[in-house]
Parts: sequence; structure tokens; C-alpha cells
Amino acid sequence: AQTVTQSQPEMSVQEAETVTLSCTYDTSESDYYLFWYKQPPSRQMILVIRQEAYKQQNATENRFSVNFQKAAKSFSLKISDSQLGDAAMYFCAYTEETSGSRLTFGEGTQLTVNP
Amino acid sequence: EAQVTQNPRYLITVTGKKLTVTCSQNMNHEYMSWYRQDPGLGLRQIYYSMNVEVTDKGDVPEGYKVSRKEKRNFPLILESPSPNQTSLYFCASSLRGLVLYNEQFFGPGTRLTVL
Repeated sequence: AQTVTQSQPEMSVQEAETVTLSCTYDTSESDYYLFWYKQPPSRQMILVIRQEAYKQQNATENRFSVNFQKAAKSFSLKISDSQLGDAAMYFCAYTEETSGSRLTFGEGTQLTVNP
Repeated sequence: EAQVTQNPRYLITVTGKKLTVTCSQNMNHEYMSWYRQDPGLGLRQIYYSMNVEVTDKGDVPEGYKVSRKEKRNFPLILESPSPNQTSLYFCASSLRGLVLYNEQFFGPGTRLTVL
């Protein structure tokens, strides 16, 4: 079974600084998708960024970017110029292209942004 | 407004008393799914449905039932709830399965407490 691991239960960053959240996963598949979701205190699940495994280029969405290392099965999220509104729980998630349906989440990383 | 709705948002019940959490989406999505979120475990998929009358088990289906008689609705049924089913539950939907990547839209969550 596929597993997703986030080894940092909590992280903190100063406002305007950069922080990187780590995620590793285990799979025998070659085609899959990876995601980062944000869950603010409202509990809403918000998709931050996604990465297709067949793409070598790292995905970027404004201040959010990923470092996708396929061989190492690593998928970290970098948040630049951190803002107070970035404070949330962040989940890494994985799905296989072949299954097309099962989404596996990591344990989550609670990010605090200090003013 | 395109959305996924869940009811109730909060529920406190007692062991063994059957309950249903409703989920409805107004986006004509084919794919729907239920997750539970527990501290330190992230979100785990309970059941999913690729279309009407098509459902399949996720990672933690024990103690739960689902049905998909209409495209828009995907209720989660706990026939005999137990305290270990105390959790935060999310319903999600997407246009199709994730094979061609379609973003999953999440409902607001249902906080269930089983005494």
C-alpha cells in the first residue's frame, strides 16, 4: 500500500521569511499525482499545489513551490514571503494515475507564522 | 454557488444509535468520497464512488456504509457507532476520478462525537 509521511508535526516561521515543509512517499508506480492541501482553522480543505509525476519541472503557484525529487520519493513545499494567513495545517497527498480515485494523505504539519 | 454540503456539521450521539451524515454536491460531479480526519493520522479515505450505484472501499471502511442512488448525494451511514468513530468527517467530490486530475472539492466537515 502507498504511504505518505510528513515527519514534521509542527513548524514555525517568521512573517516574510521562507519555510519548507517535508513530505516523502512510498510507491512502486511510475505515474501518479502529488498534492499539498492547506487546512486553516476553519477546517476547510484548500488545494495549494499539485505535481504530476511525469513532469520534471517543479510546480509553482505564486508564493508556493515544490521540490519534487522522484528518485528520492520526496515532495517538499516551499512557502516564500510567509504571511499570517499561511498559518494552517498542511497535508501532503498522493494518488495513482491507474487507480484514479484513492487519495492517500500524510499526517499533516501544523505551520505557525509569527509576526 | 458551486459547493459540497454536509449535514449535520456537529453531532453528539451514543454508542449503537444509527446515524446518517448527508453529503450533497451541486456540480454534477461523478466522483464522491468520504474521509475521516484524526490527529496525527491525517485524512483517511473511508469509501468512494465513481458514479451512481458504483461504490468501493477506501482504507478504513469498517463500521461504515454508503450508498449512491443519485449523482448528487452520497450519504455516510454508521449502523452502530462506537467511540472509536469519533472524528472529523469530510465529503469530497470531483468531476471524474483523479486519473485525468480533477480537483477534489471538499465539504465543510462534520464533527462527530460518539459517547
